[in-house]
Amino acid sequence: EVHLVESGGGLIQPGGNLRLSCAASGFSVSGQYMSWVRQVPGKGLESVAVLYSGGGTSYADSVRGRFTISRDDSENTLYLQMNSLRPEDTAVYYCARNKFETLVRGLIFYEDWGQGTLVTVSS
Amino acid sequence: QSALTQPASVSGSPGQSITISCSGSTSDIGHYDYVSWYQQHAGKAPKLIIYNVFNRPSGISDRFSASKSGNSASLTISGLQADDEADYYCCSYTTLNTLVFGRGTKVTVL
Repeated sequence: EVHLVESGGGLIQPGGNLRLSCAASGFSVSGQYMSWVRQVPGKGLESVAVLYSGGGTSYADSVRGRFTISRDDSENTLYLQMNSLRPEDTAVYYCARNKFETLVRGLIFYEDWGQGTLVTVSS
Repeated sequence: QSALTQPASVSGSPGQSITISCSGSTSDIGHYDYVSWYQQHAGKAPKLIIYNVFNRPSGISDRFSASKSGNSASLTISGLQADDEADYYCCSYTTLNTLVFGRGTKVTVL
């Protein structure tokens, strides 16, 4: 059974840095396509970062240059390093496993989700 | 890439059927058969309930059905139950090689 467990959220001042972790079980992150999706409380879902199985990455414009997605295959864990945090980054952050479709060479839906971790950026 | 358009709220009585619409464009819903739907109960993580327009993952009730026509997709919940009260998000693959979500629809069981 697939499980994703996020950790590392909390209260951080603007300009600060935070690293989120997502521990996976039931599958190997090294062979999967993984994402971080965030949700401002009471609002909708926004994809912020994607890690492709080959190591390539992509980011939302709003976080590019500040956030870095990575993984540790030995720990079977996905990470999101968040630097220069802003109040508008306040959200629940979910890690998710994506389904890759070879026909379009793209990620076509989110198969599994973690329970989320809340990041609050405030002074 | 603009968010897909969903009604803010839909309501129905137990046992009734409701339909949630999701409007996109020729760059997303109209271009690919890669529409997915997610159910999110209050305070919980989203859960995949429909993928590739109309397919249900294992364990998802057949009371959930979905379809697509042109640039729009829809999710129908039949035999509405109290536990169906949640937020529902549509999502589509796009020509930019990204996934775009709808803004979500709150379903209320009266």
